[in-house]
Amino acid sequence: EPEVTQTPSHQVTQMGQEVILRCVPISNHLYFYWYRQILGQKVEFLVSFYNNEISEKSEIFDDQFSVERPDGSNFTLKIRSTKLEDSAMYFCASIPQEYEQYFGPGTRLTVT
Amino acid sequence: RKEVEQDPGPFNVPEGATVAFNCTYSNSASQSFFWYRQDCRKEPKLLMSVYSSGNEDGRFTAQLNRASQYISLLIRDSKLSDSATYLCVVPRGDSNYQLIWGAGTKLIIKP
Repeated sequence: EPEVTQTPSHQVTQMGQEVILRCVPISNHLYFYWYRQILGQKVEFLVSFYNNEISEKSEIFDDQFSVERPDGSNFTLKIRSTKLEDSAMYFCASIPQEYEQYFGPGTRLTVT
Repeated sequence: RKEVEQDPGPFNVPEGATVAFNCTYSNSASQSFFWYRQDCRKEPKLLMSVYSSGNEDGRFTAQLNRASQYISLLIRDSKLSDSATYLCVVPRGDSNYQLIWGAGTKLIIKP
């Protein structure tokens, strides 16, 4: 069964550095998402991406964040100038049709 | 009322028992609802979708009460492996593809 994959599984970075989180969605899916989940807190929507552009984004997704689908398969989340409060699990998800989202295993980002 | 609200628990339940928990939502226009299961430090996984009055899948039953704006999840004959956090998810009213996530109800099944 096809699945969403994410790399790396754990990323440690120093405050102020840039990180790129990578996702390979399921190949025939059309919509892609990034979510964040701070430890012990709820899943928070960051951004959705369709047809090679952002379709929706939340208040969290400010100028520090950007997304790309550079080669038609990878879907990346770039976080510039990381802050301590960016430490969280970052989940990528994709959907074949409305609403039923398939999640990747997540990348745990630790900012020190 | 919060957009999606759940009792955080934890619900401590003996193996084999039946357990139910509710989720309330604020957007009366929502047409579809989801229960996801999340194990500790893992990704959420879709458990059930609810598009009408309810849905049943084996030991799991989801029911929708539109008048009172809540959905419930019932787990019968609970297993140790049912221990997880159960997340209630509702599409945002002004968006087709943005989901609002509840904070989750933690369920612990004890032997």
